[in-house]
Amino acid sequence: DAKTTQPPSMDCAEGRAANLPCNHSTISGNEYVYWYRQIHSQGPQYIIHGLKNNETNEMASLIITEDRKSSTLILPHATLRDTAVYYCIVRVGETSGSRLTFGEGTQLTVNP
Amino acid sequence: DTGVSQNPRHKITKRGQNVTFRCDPISEHNRLYWYRQTLGQGPEFLTYFQNEAQLEKSRLLSDRFSAERPKGSFSTLEIQRTEQGDSAMYLCASSQMTGLDEQFFGPGTRLTVL
Repeated sequence: DAKTTQPPSMDCAEGRAANLPCNHSTISGNEYVYWYRQIHSQGPQYIIHGLKNNETNEMASLIITEDRKSSTLILPHATLRDTAVYYCIVRVGETSGSRLTFGEGTQLTVNP
Repeated sequence: DTGVSQNPRHKITKRGQNVTFRCDPISEHNRLYWYRQTLGQGPEFLTYFQNEAQLEKSRLLSDRFSAERPKGSFSTLEIQRTEQGDSAMYLCASSQMTGLDEQFFGPGTRLTVL
C-alpha cells in the first residue's frame, strides 16, 4: 500500500469547516483513499472513501486532486465531538478483504 | 445489533503469563481482523479471517501469538508468555464479504503487562 503523509495536529473552531490534508504521491491506479477517525479510548470509525471522484456523505466530503497525489477531508461544520485522530489510508480495492495500514494520523482539536 | 464487542476491556497480567481475548463481530459479518495499537501510534494489522479460515498474518504475529475463529463467528487471540512489549490496545474489526469492505471496530482490549 502507498504511504500517506499527514500533519500531526490541527485546530479548528467549533462551527467552522475543518480541512484535513493528506499526501499520497505514490498512489497506484487501483488504490482507494480511505479516511477513518479515532475518538479517544474508542476503536477507529470509518468516515468516507474514494478513488478519483469527489465523494460526500452525511459525515464529510472527500476531495481528491486530479493527479490523485493528495486529498482533503472536509468536515463542513465541526463540533466538539469531532475532536479525534484522523487517519488517511491508501488501500487496494474497496471490496477485497485487505488490511488497513494506519499511519500516525492528524490530531484534530475542535475548540469552543 | 450492538456492534463489535470485545472482552475483557482491560487486562493486567504479570510477565510470563498467558492471556486470551475474545471478539464477537457483527452477526452477519464474514471477515474479522485483529490489530494492535500502542500509545501514540495508529493501529497495526495482526491477522485476518474470512469465515473460519485465517487468510493473512502479519510478521508482527510472533509464535507466541495465536488467533482462532473456530466456527466463523467469534474469535480469540491468545498471547503466551507475555512480555512487557506486548502492552497495547488490541482491536478487533469485522466486515461483510459482499459490498464495501468497511471495517467496523470494537472498543478494544487494553493489555498491561507488569
